[in-house]
Amino acid sequence: KAGVTQTPRYLIKTRGQQVTLSCSPISGHRSVSWYQQTPGQGLQFLFEYFSETQRNKGNFPGRFSGRQFSNSRSEMNVSTLELGDSALYLCASSQLGEYEQYFGPGTRLTVT
Amino acid sequence: DQQVKQNSPSLSVQEGRISILNCDYTNSMFDYFLWYKKYPAEGPTFLISISSIKDKNEDGRFTVFLNKSAKHLSLHIVPSQPGDSAVYFCAAATGGSQGNLIFGKGTKLSVKP
Repeated sequence: KAGVTQTPRYLIKTRGQQVTLSCSPISGHRSVSWYQQTPGQGLQFLFEYFSETQRNKGNFPGRFSGRQFSNSRSEMNVSTLELGDSALYLCASSQLGEYEQYFGPGTRLTVT
Repeated sequence: DQQVKQNSPSLSVQEGRISILNCDYTNSMFDYFLWYKKYPAEGPTFLISISSIKDKNEDGRFTVFLNKSAKHLSLHIVPSQPGDSAVYFCAAATGGSQGNLIFGKGTKLSVKP
């Protein structure tokens, strides 16, 4: 089975721009979660989607949004980028109701 | 406040010896705990997990121990191998929020040949 894939792997954006990141879950996994990893804060939960619906949301501003498509693929969007948004963004997929999540390689976002 | 804490940022162990990584938590509602390993430039890899109704779970060289009264869990790696050198994250979740894992900040394990 193919693992979780994320595109792009690296991205450089300018402050004030917006960005869209993409995630394809493991085949058969319908739950997708997103995390932000920074050196100071570690891994922090952004949101979780299942059946195109957001099930849980972390403590991030409204500039961070996401969505899920009928094929379980997911995107996250960050608008009005700030320098502090520079981070590794990780997507993880799981079976609904299962705790074990399987992570993609991440998208490294740099905001200048 | 941090609900999951890994108080040792780093740990160095000799090859063949035991590695013990520790994790403390504050939320008594957590009912499932997981350990992940992360290499640079890769996403975290699931290692082993334990439900709060158990106190031990083994998988090959990896054993996780849970002490609910102390709100403490540990990961034992025996014997340690140089390929085990990575950052290890402890994570926890509550029922109904399985998609929301709360992570510790990680412990960097170095296994020296």
